Amino acid sequence: GEKVEQHESTLSVREGDSAVINCTYTDTASSYFPWYKQEAGKSLHFVIDIRSNVDRKQSQRLIVLLDKKAKRFSLHITATQPEDSAIYFCADGDNSKLIWGLGTSLVVNP
Amino acid sequence: AQTIHQWPVAEIKAVGSPLSLGCTIKGKSSPNLYWYWQATGGTLQQLFYSITVGQVESVVQLNLSASRPKDDQFILSTEKLLLSHSGFYLCAWSLAGVNTGQLYFGEGSKLTVL
Repeated sequence: GEKVEQHESTLSVREGDSAVINCTYTDTASSYFPWYKQEAGKSLHFVIDIRSNVDRKQSQRLIVLLDKKAKRFSLHITATQPEDSAIYFCADGDNSKLIWGLGTSLVVNP
Repeated sequence: AQTIHQWPVAEIKAVGSPLSLGCTIKGKSSPNLYWYWQATGGTLQQLFYSITVGQVESVVQLNLSASRPKDDQFILSTEKLLLSHSGFYLCAWSLAGVNTGQLYFGEGSKLTVL
């Protein structure tokens, strides 16, 4: 079945450095790739998304890259801050269902 | 502004007992609604989704059922809890299909089955 692999289960960076989280997917028909953030003990919040008609999207310190040939997409967080520490989930899906990665625990050290 | 409220915030229940979790969305007419389950430290599994009142589609069977008795209400329930039902249950809404834009999640209900 369709699968999304999130390659980094944990990631530790120094404050101010960049963090990169990578995901790969299997469904060639996938066209929508969102990212969500979950702080400890809390719910999920939307971070950024990208659609298959573009290969790059930026929102302030967040950049998403999409490589359709490699079936890979990545989240880049630049100039990291301690409040970026959280679990980040990637996903891809069709109209009714999202397939989620296992999550990456990002720790930003002061 | 739209708000999503889940209840209860947390429950501790015995194996074999019934369960009912609720979700209410205010400020948005005819949203798509979703139930997700998250094992402790795990990823999300979509359980159900609903496009309209009275219609619920099952994505995965976990001995749970869902209903949408009103446009703004989504209920998750079971008559007999299993240990494997423990986890974090999240309700979410979207304007249309999940690939049309973001999901808005409630704060979740933490379930512990003993």
